Amino acid sequence: QVQLQESGLGLVKPSETLSLTCTVSGGFVSGTYYWSWIRQSPGKGLEWIGYIYSSGSTKYNPSLKSRVTISMDTSKDQFSLKVTSLTAADTAVYYCARDVWLGNLYYGLDVWGQGTTVAVSS
Amino acid sequence: EIVLTQSPASLSLSPGERATLSCRASQSISTFLGWYQQKPGQAPRLLIYDASNRATGIPARFSGSGSETDFTLTISSLEPEDFAVYYCHQRSNWPFAFGGGTKVEIK
Repeated sequence: QVQLQESGLGLVKPSETLSLTCTVSGGFVSGTYYWSWIRQSPGKGLEWIGYIYSSGSTKYNPSLKSRVTISMDTSKDQFSLKVTSLTAADTAVYYCARDVWLGNLYYGLDVWGQGTTVAVSS
Repeated sequence: EIVLTQSPASLSLSPGERATLSCRASQSISTFLGWYQQKPGQAPRLLIYDASNRATGIPARFSGSGSETDFTLTISSLEPEDFAVYYCHQRSNWPFAFGGGTKVEIK
């Protein structure tokens, strides 16, 4: 059974960079999935930050595009998120999740990490 | 950008009652829609994918219907563990998006 676990610092200063890693266990990050980062804040609800496909291609939400990088390390079965130039508006619970799209059928975000709280504060 | 509007924002019902939740998309998304349940302090859990298919392990009391712009999640008979927030989510056009949620509360 595939499980996801986020890790990274929970308190970051304004203008600094957030770095989070999601470790995939019970499966491989090289499978045909879209490995995603999603965040949830009281003010904006659930927001899809972006994803990386197993081929390495990425897609980022335009609301964050210039500040976000998602990468993958297949040797460790991990994928990572970096968000630069942080402000208080980036304070949220950050989730990693597996998005399944096979053929022309969408199977949903079927596996989620437990989430990690990130606070942006000086 | 596609916007998903969920209604009502909250629903107050008793165990055993039927819950009907709505999600409307600002443009057609075919059936590329999922429904998720979230309880306090937990990650969302997939209930329904592709608008009407139950995810693995989801009880039959949960059902989804709809296509294009109008979708419904129905819980046929509420169990105590079903009181939670429910979100719809579209995966048709980037950026993929979630609705604002419907909170199902105990009456």
